[in-house]
Amino acid sequence: DAGVTQSPTHLIKTRGQQVTLRCSPKSGHDTVSWYQQALGQGPQFIFQYYEEEERQRGNFPDRFSGHQFPNYSSELNVNALLLGDSALYLCASSFGWGEQFFGPGTRLTVL
Amino acid sequence: DAKTTQPPSMDCAEGRAANLPCNHSTISGNEYVYWYRQIHSQGPQYIIHGLKNNETNEMASLIITEDRKSSTLILPHATLRDTAVYYCIVSPGSGGSNYKLTFGKGTLLTVNP
Repeated sequence: DAGVTQSPTHLIKTRGQQVTLRCSPKSGHDTVSWYQQALGQGPQFIFQYYEEEERQRGNFPDRFSGHQFPNYSSELNVNALLLGDSALYLCASSFGWGEQFFGPGTRLTVL
Repeated sequence: DAKTTQPPSMDCAEGRAANLPCNHSTISGNEYVYWYRQIHSQGPQYIIHGLKNNETNEMASLIITEDRKSSTLILPHATLRDTAVYYCIVSPGSGGSNYKLTFGKGTLLTVNP
């Protein structure tokens, strides 16, 4: 079992650009959550997808959007990048009431 | 979600038990206590969770006070690989894991040789 995988590992973008991050959940998991972790802070919840729909959303602007595919994988899209969007983006998957398993994250740097 | 309070840092000698405290005085009756840890540059790792009874698994033990206002995570024999930031999280619902996890800054546990 490969666990939760994320791509790419690292990414460098410039202000105003758009970025897409990808996540494949752990085998058997149907729910994907995304978190943003700024340097020195704990992860902050962005949103959660279940059955291809956004089920919950944290306090993030509409520039942050996502998608879940029929195979349960997910994408996080961020438009009009700001310097403050530089962070580690974490994906977590779960099934039913089970615990969330996190991937290694994608390190996004906005210049 | 109920807030949690943890010390910013703790030290522990290798081979000794590490006891990490967490205060969650505003916890509601249906909220579980979860513990995750994050080793440098990795994603958080689930450790254990509980509602009101003490819990133990292969990684750790969780002791929850009778009034549920605080808890302690115990790593019985800490190793250098246990050096990490430990997060105590209170999450609502039946099992709660499909709800969002609200992370604080956690406790940096440093295990010394």
